[in-house]
Amino acid sequence: EAQVTQNPRYLITVTGKKLTVTCSQNMNHEYMSWYRQDPGLGLRQIYYSMNVEVTDKGDVPEGYKVSRKEKRNFPLILESPSPNQTSLYFCASSPRLAGRKGTQYFGPGTRLLVL
Amino acid sequence: AQTVTQSQPEMSVQEAETVTLSCTYDTSESDYYLFWYKQPPSRQMILVIRQEAYKQQNATENRFSVNFQKAAKSFSLKISDSQLGDAAMYFCAYRSDLTQGGSEKLVFGKGTKLTVNP
Repeated sequence: EAQVTQNPRYLITVTGKKLTVTCSQNMNHEYMSWYRQDPGLGLRQIYYSMNVEVTDKGDVPEGYKVSRKEKRNFPLILESPSPNQTSLYFCASSPRLAGRKGTQYFGPGTRLLVL
Repeated sequence: AQTVTQSQPEMSVQEAETVTLSCTYDTSESDYYLFWYKQPPSRQMILVIRQEAYKQQNATENRFSVNFQKAAKSFSLKISDSQLGDAAMYFCAYRSDLTQGGSEKLVFGKGTKLTVNP
């Protein structure tokens, strides 16, 4: 089944304890992205990757890191989480077909609580 | 920068009736894509329908259709024969056309919560 998976789905942690949220897709998509969703603010892009070893900042990158060593994986790293990073996180991927394609497919979401 | 506005924070509809959700956007680009995503209580983001700006014909997917008015920068979603399973948060989203060097980033509206009454 074509899908984007995220782990963990739920995570409670404490301020300053490094964590990684994994994202994996099995559709051979070039483009991957991380969003966070907060009440009243909608979804905002954190980081994105056009292909392996190519990453760039989105609209709200502060406090986050990413890497793209393999095409299928795009982990999100919070090196020193703070309570303002409590949010619902989505990973998404899309094919970079020439021209007019590129619908983004979303993972199931990771709910993070930082105490 | 592009912006997407959903002016209806909440809407309700009777089962089997029709409802229209509004979305407007602001852009200086001529080619782009518009999407409606559904987010049920499970929080999964599910693609409902997509529209290419260069297409004059409105997109349709079963009971879901859009009214795309490019000059007015309006992109409303019509749900016909509403079902209980349609209850969800609906997000309108914009994406630039890659062939014009645009970003793959989706720009989202803040969402409309749809309630379906039995």
